[in-house]
Amino acid sequence: DAKTTQPPSMDCAEGRAANLPCNHSTISGNEYVYWYRQIHSQGPQYIIHGLKNNETNEMASLIITEDRKSSTLILPHATLRDTAVYYCIVEETSGSRLTFGEGTQLTVNP
Amino acid sequence: EPEVTQTPSHQVTQMGQEVILRCVPISNHLYFYWYRQILGQKVEFLVSFYNNEISEKSEIFDDQFSVERPDGSNFTLKIRSTKLEDSAMYFCASSPYGGGNQPQHFGDGTRLSIL
Repeated sequence: DAKTTQPPSMDCAEGRAANLPCNHSTISGNEYVYWYRQIHSQGPQYIIHGLKNNETNEMASLIITEDRKSSTLILPHATLRDTAVYYCIVEETSGSRLTFGEGTQLTVNP
Repeated sequence: EPEVTQTPSHQVTQMGQEVILRCVPISNHLYFYWYRQILGQKVEFLVSFYNNEISEKSEIFDDQFSVERPDGSNFTLKIRSTKLEDSAMYFCASSPYGGGNQPQHFGDGTRLSIL
């Protein structure tokens, strides 16, 4: 089972920041937090990942709390094309599989 | 930007037939994966592959499934005798190395329809 909890859906206005929360209270010290998204039935698209420091790339920012029990993905200026299901995943330590949960359906409205 | 490519985009097969799904991972990646997504359900891990052998597999990946890297570029998933419940999107992924600080990059999938 997925080790993360996300809200099932969120809405955001176009041009505004989208802040997607994720709880991972049982994360262990050497597990990374990954974010992916899936648009319609396309393949999951990698967004960003982190261990304990905040991270930023051209797509998004990832804020991880100091205790690492939760994180927030920030899309700074959401566009209609950011409408997708967003998955927060804690990578299994025992192997290389990604365990996808239900994710958050983000809808960006004009 | 390099990407994972999968062929065909849609495969229709009669139940009981063998099917081979093909993937070309990103060229300098060493770990390869297959996932599937039944319509309306979660993405599920099937298998990971490194150094010409399976490194991890899920309970879904039974004797009907096999993977192969037949040459230096392709990575294939074979289903020997397809069942109706094998109908799903199949995604291939690759990463530079396994585990830890190595994001997996996915292809756009093959839609497998079993009749």
